[in-house]
Amino acid sequence: DQQVKQNSPSLSVQEGRISILNCDYTNSMFDYFLWYKKYPAEGPTFLISISSIKDKNEDGRFTVFLNKSAKHLSLHIVPSQPGDSAVYFCAASPMGTYKYIFGTGTRLKVLA
Amino acid sequence: DGGITQSPKYLFRKEGQNVTLSCEQNLNHDAMYWYRQDPGQGLRLIYYSQIVNDFQKGDIAEGYSVSREKKESFPLTVTSAQKNPTAFYLCASSPSPDRGPEAFFGQGTRLTVV
Repeated sequence: DQQVKQNSPSLSVQEGRISILNCDYTNSMFDYFLWYKKYPAEGPTFLISISSIKDKNEDGRFTVFLNKSAKHLSLHIVPSQPGDSAVYFCAASPMGTYKYIFGTGTRLKVLA
Repeated sequence: DGGITQSPKYLFRKEGQNVTLSCEQNLNHDAMYWYRQDPGQGLRLIYYSQIVNDFQKGDIAEGYSVSREKKESFPLTVTSAQKNPTAFYLCASSPSPDRGPEAFFGQGTRLTVV
């Protein structure tokens, strides 16, 4: 049973436009959500996180929105740049644990 | 520079042999993790350790073993019992929860069984 789901395996966006990556979860006991960016044959790099007590967190071009009632979070990248082309993973950490549960990733392609 | 070092980057193993993947961190992080990534799939947790001399199984621990004798080190042994060991292995570490939720990853080791 997959607790963190990224239902879109891929997304293409024109340079300069907004990229919206989505993530759904099933466990209401997650207290942190994180987004990672990954290039092939490299380790994921941390992008941005959000606590379950917030509904928005912003860092430069990256904003994460959390809708607890819908058990849904999204990552907005604006404006999108060709260097943003990568696989993006959503992850969640259950309350009181050190564990991280990852989604299957969404491959973003930003077209120049 | 602080970080997580995985070695080697590429590893070839003959079927039936055990192999150990190295992971070292100098971030003074309490927790360390091993994940596996297969093509088209997310990261699946193999083992994790919250403190020295203690570790817990993740979702896919069968055929793997770990040790945590030092805070800085968390080696993963892929045993001959692991039925499908060819994959990209990622090590990560994180501070205690009260110092931030982020986990930081190494660059990965690609293991190929030949």
